[in-house]
Order: sequence, then structure tokens, then C-alpha cells
Amino acid sequence: AQSVAQPEDQVNVAEGNPLTVKCTYSVSGNPYLFWYVQYPNRGLQFLLKYITGDNLVKGSYGFEAEFNKSQTSFHLKKPSALVSDSALYFCAVRDIQTGANNLFFGTGTRLTVIP
Amino acid sequence: KAGVTQTPRYLIKTRGQQVTLSCSPISGHRSVSWYQQTPGQGLQFLFEYFSETQRNKGNFPGRFSGRQFSNSRSEMNVSTLELGDSALYLCASSLGGATLSSIGELFFGEGSRLTVL
Repeated sequence: AQSVAQPEDQVNVAEGNPLTVKCTYSVSGNPYLFWYVQYPNRGLQFLLKYITGDNLVKGSYGFEAEFNKSQTSFHLKKPSALVSDSALYFCAVRDIQTGANNLFFGTGTRLTVIP
Repeated sequence: KAGVTQTPRYLIKTRGQQVTLSCSPISGHRSVSWYQQTPGQGLQFLFEYFSETQRNKGNFPGRFSGRQFSNSRSEMNVSTLELGDSALYLCASSLGGATLSSIGELFFGEGSRLTVL
């Protein structure tokens, strides 16, 4: 079975500092991994994905994520945090058993960027 | 290009009633997925429709059902509502193909927030 874990419910970072939101995964076979962001009272927005290729994936709004197979991790990073980055972040993995769009989401990490 | 539109945005029902939620996907998208979001359970996959056929189904009781029309619009229905059905129901559309570029890239609507009293 596929699953992802986000070990931190809350991450606080000062504006201008680098940020990291952690995600580890458990899959059988090749993982398809994703990051989504949710702003208050809004739906989720796609940030980036890892399917194959380079371990460092670049996405929207200056975010990037590093796929690490040996550590089964897919941490989300940004070099310099903005107050507007404050939101709920979800890591997800594709269910390779049943099809392309059945995603298993983590429990979410609330990022707060402090001015 | 218009985004994913969900209606209604908010609704209140009582236990035992039934509810129908609607989702209009992005033009050209043939896949529509539904997710339930609650504080306790997080985001859970309900089902996915592609070209009017249910392609995948999550682990929800039969009270939860859906359908997709020829124009790719989708509806989901919950019958005999329970208090635990209170949630944000999110619809997501995608091209639905199996190419690497389209896999997993979902476009979500803002959701329909259901409160069951």
C-alpha cells in the first residue's frame, strides 16, 4: 500500500529564512510524489511533482523538492520564505495500483512565516 | 481558462437527508475526482470518473455515489446523511491521460462545505 507521512503538524520560519517541509513515503515500486498547497477556504493547488529523472524538482512560486530514494523522503524547500507562503502543505503519492489520479495525501503541515 | 467550479459552496442539511454536489471541470479535462477533507481524517479519495465511467473508488460506504455526464461535469450524492459526513468536499479535474506530464496534476475547486446537523 502507498502512504506518505508528514512528521510535523506545524512549521514556523522567519521571513527571508530558508524553509523545509518534510515528507517521507512508503510505496512498492517507483514512487510518483507530489506537493500541493492549500490557502484558507480554498482548494488545493499543485506545486510540483517527481515522476522520474532529476532528484531535484523545481515547481511553482520558487519551491523545490528533493527526492531521496535511500531515505524515502521528498522534502519541500524554498531558499527564502515569504509571509505569503503561509498555508497548509500536503505531500501526496500516487496509487499505482488503481490508476493515475488516485492520490494518497499526508496529514498536512501548516507553515507559518513570521514577518 | 475558467477553473474548476463547485456548487453549492456551503450547505446545511439534517441527518437522514440526502445531498447532491456539482462539479464543472476545466474545459478539455475528462477526469473528475472527488475528495473528502475533514480535520480528523484529512484528505480521503472518494472516486474518480473518466469519460462517464467510474475508474477508481475509495473506501467509502455505498451511501456515497457519483456520476459523470457527457460534458465531463460530475455530481456526487450522499444519501442518508450522518453527522460524520460534515466535511469539505473537493472536486479535482485533470486531463486524465497516462502520460508522465499529466499524471497526478490535479486542479481543485474551492470545495463544497457540508454541515450535517
